[in-house]
Formats: sequence, C-alpha cells, structure tokens
Amino acid sequence: EPEVTQTPSHQVTQMGQEVILRCVPISNHLYFYWYRQILGQKVEFLVSFYNNEISEKSEIFDDQFSVERPDGSNFTLKIRSTKLEDSAMYFCASSESLGGAYEQYFGPGTRLTVT
Amino acid sequence: ELKVEQNPLFLSMQEGKNYTIYCNYSTTSDRLYWYRQDPGKSLESLFVLLSNGAVKQEGRLMASLDTKARLSTLHITAAVHDLSATYFCAVVPSGGGADGLTFGKGTHLIIQP
Repeated sequence: EPEVTQTPSHQVTQMGQEVILRCVPISNHLYFYWYRQILGQKVEFLVSFYNNEISEKSEIFDDQFSVERPDGSNFTLKIRSTKLEDSAMYFCASSESLGGAYEQYFGPGTRLTVT
Repeated sequence: ELKVEQNPLFLSMQEGKNYTIYCNYSTTSDRLYWYRQDPGKSLESLFVLLSNGAVKQEGRLMASLDTKARLSTLHITAAVHDLSATYFCAVVPSGGGADGLTFGKGTHLIIQP
C-alpha cells in the first residue's frame, strides 16, 4: 500500500542552524502539507502546496520557513535559523485531491530537536 | 478563527465499557475527520464525515456528525485494550481552500484490562 515517507526520522540541530526536512508523498497525489506537533500538544497546520506553489499557510509559517518541491518526488520543509521552540514532530501529508472524501495521508514524522 | 474542542481530554476506562468522545467546532465545516495516534507514531485516519447525519462504523468505533449542532461524536463500544491511543478530530472550514486541517487537542484514552 502506498505511503508517505519522511527523512530523517530524528534530527538534532543547534539553535541558529538551518534544517531541511524531506518528504516523499504518495506518487499520484497532488496536494502536499506540512504540520507540526509540539510534544504532548495538538497537531498544527503549517502550509499546503499545490502546483508548485503555496496554497495556504498558517500564522506559524513565517519567513523562517519555506517549502519546495525540487523534483518530481520530494517535498521539503526548510527551517532557517532554528529556535528552541521549533523543537517538535513535523508531519508531511498528501492528498489526491481536494474536498469530498479525499483524505490526507500522514507520514511517520521527523522529530526535530533544537539544542 | 476556527476552533475545535474535544472532551474529555483524558479518559481512563475499563475493558468492556462503552464511552463517547465529543468534538465541537466553531464554524460551518465541509467535513470532519477522526484520527488515531499511538505514542510516538503518526496519525492514522479512522473516519471522514461529509454530511449532516453521517454515521460511520469500523469495528468497535462509530463516528457521527451533526452539522447543525457543529458536533461530532466518536463512540467506543465494549472497549478493548488495543484501542488505547490518542484520538483527534480535525475540521476543514467551509470553502476551506487547500484544506489545512484544524485539529482538536486530542483525547488520550487509556483502556485498562
């Protein structure tokens, strides 16, 4: 069964460094998302991406963040100048289409630890 | 701003018992999702509810949606230990564009033998 994959599973970085989190969405999906979950808290929407551009973004997704689909398979989230409060689990999700019963399928997540 | 509230946030129950988790949301919605999350794991889709009165069942779990009351319920029948997990509801507002999900805080469910 197709699934969303993410790498790395765990990333440790120092405050102020840049990190890139990688995702491979399900191959026939067209809509891509990033969410984050701070330990013990709810899942928060960051950004959605379609047709090589951002479709929607939340207040969390400020200039520190960027997304890119550098090739036909990968979808990346870049965090510039990481802060301690960026420590969280970051989930990538993808969806075949919008609306109706189209579900968002979540990857296993990348745990980011900023020290 | 769309708000999604779940209750209870923590629930400890015994095997064999029935219980209901509630999800209220503040604006009209196109659809509502229920996800399960095991500790340290990703989110597993359980149900997608699209219309008023929708009811879906899978095993011991049944979800329903009342769009007029802006309320969804997740009912657990004859609970078993394997259902221990955190359950999230998530909502997309009507006309929600590219469908960023707004999640509730989750219900941490512990089922004791």
